[in-house]
Amino acid sequence: EAQVTQNPRYLITVTGKKLTVTCSQNMNHEYMSWYRQDPGLGLRQIYYSMNVEVTDKGDVPEGYKVSRKEKRNFPLILESPSPNQTSLYFCASTPGTAGPLHFGNGTRLTVT
Amino acid sequence: SQQGEEDPQALSIQEGENATMNCSYKTSINNLQWYRQNSGRGLVHLILIRSNEREKHSGRLRVTLDTSKKSSSLLITASRAADTASYFCATADSYGNNRLAFGKGNQVVVIP
Repeated sequence: EAQVTQNPRYLITVTGKKLTVTCSQNMNHEYMSWYRQDPGLGLRQIYYSMNVEVTDKGDVPEGYKVSRKEKRNFPLILESPSPNQTSLYFCASTPGTAGPLHFGNGTRLTVT
Repeated sequence: SQQGEEDPQALSIQEGENATMNCSYKTSINNLQWYRQNSGRGLVHLILIRSNEREKHSGRLRVTLDTSKKSSSLLITASRAADTASYFCATADSYGNNRLAFGKGNQVVVIP
Protein backbone atom coordinates (compact mmCIF):
# COMPACT_ATOMS: atom_id res chain seq x y z
CA GLU A 1 0.00 0.00 0.00
CA ALA A 2 1.30 3.44 -0.97
CA GLN A 3 1.86 5.45 2.18
CA VAL A 4 3.83 7.92 4.21
CA THR A 5 4.78 6.50 7.59
CA GLN A 6 5.69 8.68 10.56
CA ASN A 7 6.95 7.52 13.91
CA PRO A 8 6.24 7.91 16.70
CA ARG A 9 2.55 8.79 16.70
CA TYR A 10 2.77 10.44 20.12
CA LEU A 11 5.85 11.75 21.92
CA ILE A 12 6.22 13.48 25.26
CA THR A 13 9.67 14.78 26.12
CA VAL A 14 11.43 17.36 28.23
CA THR A 15 13.12 20.58 27.24
CA GLY A 16 16.55 20.09 25.74
CA LYS A 17 16.41 16.35 25.11
CA LYS A 18 17.25 15.70 21.46
CA LEU A 19 14.67 13.79 19.48
CA THR A 20 14.07 12.54 15.97
CA VAL A 21 10.76 11.99 14.23
CA THR A 22 11.10 9.57 11.35
CA CYS A 23 9.30 9.77 8.03
CA SER A 24 9.40 7.19 5.27
CA GLN A 25 7.52 6.94 1.97
CA ASN A 26 7.28 3.95 -0.35
CA MET A 27 6.14 5.77 -3.50
CA ASN A 28 9.55 6.80 -4.84
CA HIS A 29 8.57 10.46 -4.49
CA GLU A 30 11.23 13.06 -5.03
CA TYR A 31 9.67 15.82 -2.94
CA MET A 32 9.18 15.54 0.82
CA SER A 33 8.19 18.12 3.37
CA TRP A 34 7.54 18.68 7.07
CA TYR A 35 4.69 20.78 8.43
CA ARG A 36 3.55 21.73 11.88
CA GLN A 37 -0.06 22.38 12.70
CA ASP A 38 -1.13 24.65 15.53
CA PRO A 39 -4.62 25.85 16.48
CA GLY A 40 -5.51 29.05 14.70
CA LEU A 41 -2.34 28.99 12.60
CA GLY A 42 -3.08 26.23 10.13
CA LEU A 43 -0.22 24.26 8.58
CA ARG A 44 3.16 25.88 8.35
CA GLN A 45 6.05 24.41 6.42
CA ILE A 46 9.22 23.68 8.38
CA TYR A 47 11.59 22.19 5.81
CA TYR A 48 11.31 20.58 2.43
CA SER A 49 13.47 18.49 0.14
CA MET A 50 13.25 18.36 -3.63
CA ASN A 51 15.54 15.35 -3.90
CA VAL A 52 18.29 13.38 -2.19
CA GLU A 53 20.83 15.66 -0.49
CA VAL A 54 18.74 18.73 -1.37
CA THR A 55 16.94 20.41 1.52
CA ASP A 56 15.64 23.92 2.06
CA LYS A 57 13.99 25.99 4.74
CA GLY A 58 10.28 26.52 4.83
CA ASP A 59 8.46 29.21 6.74
CA VAL A 60 9.32 28.16 10.31
CA PRO A 61 12.69 26.32 10.26
CA GLU A 62 14.15 27.65 13.53
CA GLY A 63 14.95 24.90 16.01
CA TYR A 64 14.68 22.09 13.47
CA LYS A 65 17.04 20.11 11.28
CA VAL A 66 16.40 17.62 8.50
CA SER A 67 18.41 15.30 6.32
CA ARG A 68 17.75 13.49 3.06
CA LYS A 69 20.37 10.82 2.62
CA GLU A 70 18.07 8.48 0.74
CA LYS A 71 14.97 9.08 -1.29
CA ARG A 72 12.49 7.32 0.98
CA ASN A 73 13.47 8.85 4.33
CA PHE A 74 13.23 12.40 5.61
CA PRO A 75 13.74 12.59 9.40
CA LEU A 76 12.96 15.70 11.42
CA ILE A 77 15.46 16.43 14.17
CA LEU A 78 14.93 18.66 17.18
CA GLU A 79 18.38 19.14 18.71
CA SER A 80 17.14 20.97 21.81
CA PRO A 81 13.34 20.93 21.96
CA SER A 82 11.52 23.75 23.69
CA PRO A 83 7.89 24.03 24.83
CA ASN A 84 7.00 26.24 21.86
CA GLN A 85 7.69 23.25 19.64
CA THR A 86 4.75 21.42 21.16
CA SER A 87 2.64 20.79 18.09
CA LEU A 88 1.17 18.29 15.65
CA TYR A 89 3.73 17.44 12.97
CA PHE A 90 3.06 16.07 9.51
CA CYS A 91 5.36 14.65 6.90
CA ALA A 92 4.22 14.68 3.29
CA SER A 93 5.52 13.67 -0.11
CA THR A 94 4.68 14.14 -3.76
CA PRO A 95 6.24 13.04 -7.05
CA GLY A 96 7.02 16.61 -7.98
CA THR A 97 5.93 19.75 -9.80
CA ALA A 98 3.45 20.99 -7.20
CA GLY A 99 1.38 17.82 -7.28
CA PRO A 100 -0.97 16.51 -4.60
CA LEU A 101 0.69 15.83 -1.27
CA HIS A 102 0.43 12.47 0.47
CA PHE A 103 0.43 12.99 4.22
CA GLY A 104 1.49 10.79 7.08
CA ASN A 105 -0.82 10.34 10.07
CA GLY A 106 0.98 12.87 12.17
CA THR A 107 3.14 12.99 15.29
CA ARG A 108 1.78 14.76 18.31
CA LEU A 109 4.74 16.16 20.23
CA THR A 110 4.57 17.61 23.71
CA VAL A 111 7.64 19.31 25.18
CA THR A 112 7.46 20.05 28.90
CA SER B 1 4.94 32.72 1.18
CA GLN B 2 1.38 33.23 0.06
CA GLN B 3 -1.48 31.71 1.97
CA GLY B 4 -4.98 30.64 1.13
CA GLU B 5 -7.61 31.99 3.44
CA GLU B 6 -10.77 29.98 3.81
CA ASP B 7 -14.18 31.48 4.42
CA PRO B 8 -16.33 30.80 6.37
CA GLN B 9 -14.13 29.51 9.15
CA ALA B 10 -16.83 27.21 10.51
CA LEU B 11 -19.97 25.81 8.94
CA SER B 12 -22.75 23.70 10.40
CA ILE B 13 -25.33 22.14 8.08
CA GLN B 14 -27.95 19.42 7.99
CA GLU B 15 -27.28 16.16 6.22
CA GLY B 16 -28.39 16.38 2.61
CA GLU B 17 -27.69 20.09 2.29
CA ASN B 18 -24.91 21.55 0.21
CA ALA B 19 -21.80 23.04 1.81
CA THR B 20 -19.83 25.82 0.16
CA MET B 21 -16.45 27.12 1.24
CA ASN B 22 -14.35 29.85 -0.27
CA CYS B 23 -10.63 30.41 -0.42
CA SER B 24 -8.76 33.56 -1.33
CA TYR B 25 -5.09 33.95 -2.07
CA LYS B 26 -2.71 36.75 -2.84
CA THR B 27 -0.24 36.00 -5.62
CA SER B 28 0.19 34.14 -8.89
CA ILE B 29 -0.40 30.40 -8.66
CA ASN B 30 0.37 27.24 -10.60
CA ASN B 31 -2.53 25.37 -9.08
CA LEU B 32 -4.86 25.31 -6.09
CA GLN B 33 -5.66 22.20 -4.09
CA TRP B 34 -8.26 21.25 -1.53
CA TYR B 35 -7.62 18.82 1.32
CA ARG B 36 -9.75 17.25 4.04
CA GLN B 37 -8.61 16.46 7.57
CA ASN B 38 -10.53 14.29 9.99
CA SER B 39 -9.95 15.09 13.65
CA GLY B 40 -6.17 15.45 13.94
CA ARG B 41 -5.35 12.87 11.29
CA GLY B 42 -3.27 13.41 8.17
CA LEU B 43 -4.68 15.56 5.41
CA VAL B 44 -6.20 13.81 2.42
CA HIS B 45 -6.01 15.34 -1.03
CA LEU B 46 -9.43 15.95 -2.58
CA ILE B 47 -8.98 17.84 -5.82
CA LEU B 48 -6.46 19.93 -7.74
CA ILE B 49 -7.39 22.71 -10.15
CA ARG B 50 -4.78 24.29 -12.39
CA SER B 51 -4.52 28.00 -13.00
CA ASN B 52 -5.86 27.64 -16.55
CA GLU B 53 -8.95 25.72 -15.41
CA ARG B 54 -12.16 27.31 -14.19
CA GLU B 55 -14.13 24.38 -12.82
CA LYS B 56 -13.52 20.80 -11.85
CA HIS B 57 -15.70 17.99 -10.53
CA SER B 58 -14.95 14.88 -8.53
CA GLY B 59 -17.93 12.88 -7.29
CA ARG B 60 -19.94 15.17 -5.01
CA LEU B 61 -17.22 17.83 -5.07
CA ARG B 62 -17.17 20.83 -7.34
CA VAL B 63 -14.33 23.32 -7.33
CA THR B 64 -14.20 26.63 -9.13
CA LEU B 65 -11.27 28.93 -9.63
CA ASP B 66 -11.36 32.62 -10.50
CA THR B 67 -7.79 33.81 -11.03
CA SER B 68 -8.92 37.39 -11.68
CA LYS B 69 -10.39 37.53 -8.18
CA LYS B 70 -7.75 35.22 -6.74
CA SER B 71 -10.39 33.00 -5.22
CA SER B 72 -11.69 29.45 -5.29
CA SER B 73 -14.76 27.72 -3.94
CA LEU B 74 -15.39 24.14 -2.88
CA LEU B 75 -18.94 22.84 -3.04
CA ILE B 76 -19.92 19.56 -1.41
CA THR B 77 -23.33 18.48 -2.63
CA ALA B 78 -25.77 16.30 -0.69
CA SER B 79 -23.57 16.31 2.41
CA ARG B 80 -23.26 13.30 4.68
CA ALA B 81 -22.28 12.98 8.32
CA ALA B 82 -19.00 11.46 7.12
CA ASP B 83 -18.16 14.80 5.45
CA THR B 84 -17.67 16.32 8.91
CA ALA B 85 -14.05 17.44 8.82
CA SER B 86 -11.75 20.40 8.37
CA TYR B 87 -11.15 21.51 4.80
CA PHE B 88 -8.01 23.32 3.70
CA CYS B 89 -7.11 25.06 0.51
CA ALA B 90 -3.48 25.19 -0.54
CA THR B 91 -1.83 27.15 -3.30
CA ALA B 92 1.22 26.14 -5.31
CA ASP B 93 3.03 29.22 -6.49
CA SER B 94 4.04 29.71 -10.07
CA TYR B 95 7.77 29.71 -9.34
CA GLY B 96 8.20 25.96 -9.72
CA ASN B 97 9.63 25.21 -6.28
CA ASN B 98 6.81 22.84 -5.35
CA ARG B 99 5.92 24.70 -2.18
CA LEU B 100 2.31 24.58 -1.05
CA ALA B 101 0.98 27.28 1.24
CA PHE B 102 -2.01 26.23 3.32
CA GLY B 103 -4.86 28.26 4.68
CA LYS B 104 -6.01 27.97 8.27
CA GLY B 105 -8.83 25.59 7.44
CA ASN B 106 -12.58 25.50 7.54
CA GLN B 107 -14.43 23.32 10.04
CA VAL B 108 -17.55 21.70 8.59
CA VAL B 109 -20.03 19.86 10.78
CA VAL B 110 -22.77 17.86 9.09
CA ILE B 111 -25.64 17.09 11.45
CA PRO B 112 -27.37 13.76 10.80
